[in-house]
Amino acid sequence: EAGVAQSPRYKIIEKRQSVAFWCNPISGHATLYWYQQILGQGPKLLIQFQNNGVVDDSQLPKDRFSAERLKGVDSTLKIQPAKLEDSAVYLCASSRGGTGQETQYFGPGTRLLVL
Amino acid sequence: GENVEQHPSTLSVQEGDSAVIKCTYSDSASNYFPWYKQELGKGPQLIIDIRSNVGEKKDQRIAVTLNKTAKHFSLHITETQPEDSAVYFCAASIGGRGSTLGRLYFGRGTQLTVWP
Repeated sequence: EAGVAQSPRYKIIEKRQSVAFWCNPISGHATLYWYQQILGQGPKLLIQFQNNGVVDDSQLPKDRFSAERLKGVDSTLKIQPAKLEDSAVYLCASSRGGTGQETQYFGPGTRLLVL
Repeated sequence: GENVEQHPSTLSVQEGDSAVIKCTYSDSASNYFPWYKQELGKGPQLIIDIRSNVGEKKDQRIAVTLNKTAKHFSLHITETQPEDSAVYFCAASIGGRGSTLGRLYFGRGTQLTVWP
């Protein structure tokens, strides 16, 4: 089965610019997650979708970050405007259910550098 | 929220030796503990997991142990090989449904290097 797809793989922008990331989860997976992984740290959950509804966005900086999951499949994460501290790898993951005890399958990530 | 501490941050072993990575967690309600391996330029990949109703789980050269009383769990890799070199992350979650339940809290990672 195909894995989680993400694009672009790399992005370099200047601060105050906007950027968007795209994720296509594994077919049939109801739950989709966006994580932020800063260099030298573990992934930190930004937002969790169950189908096309938001389950947990408590750690999403809503003044600059937004995310949507249209039709319960693909998802986009947007940053506007970007700050230097947003430089990180943005990982998308998916799982069959949303109980937290199913395996989460991660994509390769998008590496963002904000100058 | 949950806080997961992971040690050591770096670990170097000779091929064939064993490697042990330890994690502690703060929330006694956590009941699911996966371990992920992340190779350079790739996303994390699940290698083994354990639930709170089990004390130990083994899969070939990899084993995980859980001590609920002490709130710590460990990853054991035996007969290490150079291809085991990667960053390993432990995580914890409160499995269930509802807002914030099921969120994975990750440790900071351990860079394992296996020398041939």
